[in-house]
Amino acid sequence: AQKVTQAQTEISVVEKEDVTLDCVYETRDTTYYLFWYKQPPSGELVFLIRRNSFDEQNEISGRYSWNFQKSTSSFNFTITASQVVDSAVYFCALSSWAGNMLTFGGGTRLMVKP
Amino acid sequence: DTAVSQTPKYLVTQMGNDKSIKCEQNLGHDTMYWYKQDSKKFLKIMFSYNNKELIINETVPNRFSPKSPDKAHLNLHINSLELGDSAVYFCASSQPSAAGPAGNTIYFGEGSWLTVV
Repeated sequence: AQKVTQAQTEISVVEKEDVTLDCVYETRDTTYYLFWYKQPPSGELVFLIRRNSFDEQNEISGRYSWNFQKSTSSFNFTITASQVVDSAVYFCALSSWAGNMLTFGGGTRLMVKP
Repeated sequence: DTAVSQTPKYLVTQMGNDKSIKCEQNLGHDTMYWYKQDSKKFLKIMFSYNNKELIINETVPNRFSPKSPDKAHLNLHINSLELGDSAVYFCASSQPSAAGPAGNTIYFGEGSWLTVV
């Protein structure tokens, strides 16, 4: 069975602070995909990143960066210089290589205060 | 153009009624899904269809019946609505992993907020 744990249910920061959202996963698959999605207050689910299990290179996209550590089964997400518009619920998710379903973590609500 | 679109966005209905939520994707994907998000924001898959065929049914009550008339559409019909059905329902779609760099990325619609009173 697959499982994704986001231990931080809620984080509050002040604008311009850096913040890291933790994600730990469990799977018996040797190959799999990891994802992050953003759910802003308007409610839609926005795809942020997909990472293959055999690619442990960290990724940076603007103020966003992701750290994938297979040895610790973690896929953490860092926002640098946070902004109020980053306020949202962020979900980490896992799928098998067949990719026919996502297992989501419980989400982390990030509040960025001005 | 919205890639995955669902209607209606908001639906308030009485217990016992039957309602449908429609979903269409214009991404040319083969696989479509329904996910449910409960009041605690927990997201869980309900159904998955590949080329109009059901491939995943995650122990959803049989009051919920998905229908896929073609691979671009996956509608969700709910009979005899109960208070506990109140949730946000997300439609999504994806291509298989063999489809290249974008394969397996699941794209979601904007959600349909169902409230049963």
